[in-house]
Amino acid sequence: GAVVSQHPSWVICKSGTSVKIECRSLDFQATTMFWYRQFPKQSLMLMATSNEGSKATYEQGVEKDKFLINHASLTLSTLTVTSAHPEDSSFYICSAREYLGERGNQPQHFGDGTRLSIL
Amino acid sequence: GQNIDQPTEMTATEGAIVQINCTYQTSGFNGLFWYQQHAGEAPTFLSYNVLDGLEEKGRFSSFLSRSKGYSYLLLKELQMKDSASYLCAVREGDSSYKLIFGSGTRLLVRP
Repeated sequence: GAVVSQHPSWVICKSGTSVKIECRSLDFQATTMFWYRQFPKQSLMLMATSNEGSKATYEQGVEKDKFLINHASLTLSTLTVTSAHPEDSSFYICSAREYLGERGNQPQHFGDGTRLSIL
Repeated sequence: GQNIDQPTEMTATEGAIVQINCTYQTSGFNGLFWYQQHAGEAPTFLSYNVLDGLEEKGRFSSFLSRSKGYSYLLLKELQMKDSASYLCAVREGDSSYKLIFGSGTRLLVRP
């Protein structure tokens, strides 16, 4: 089945550090990837849609300069949390859309998530 | 606006049947997904409905009524490992294919 690899799985760093998270589709090409944020006992909140070769589309209230997204190839998208602060501590999850033809349901496959803790 | 509602928590007994409801009001509709998420893990895909009716997949079934903005996930022969959060998500009708998630339902299966 379709596999999405997300790295790293856990990050603990000091306030002010920039953190880069990678999301890779291992056995399929993903023209679109999505970045979510999830706080404890809450659902997934979409942060941005990442399209290969073009600028990401951010959801309302998400700071573009804070959360930098790069989708350089059909299998890799990166999220960089710049100058992270304790309030940025959260569970970040990426997903990749698998294209299954015009009539396919085109499910999103999720990475295992990155738990970010800013001290 | 966009609104997806699910019950916050449900409890059921091992071996029983449980139905988790989801109602939605979105600006567009291009399919409804159900995901299972265990604590600290990423969501895993369970089912997809785009037409009205019931989709069955083993112990799990999902139903959709587009006119009512309503879906449910039915879990049969509950097992302890089914204790998890169940997320209802609607794909909007535009070309972005992004999913809007409900708040999720935490299901606790008791012996």
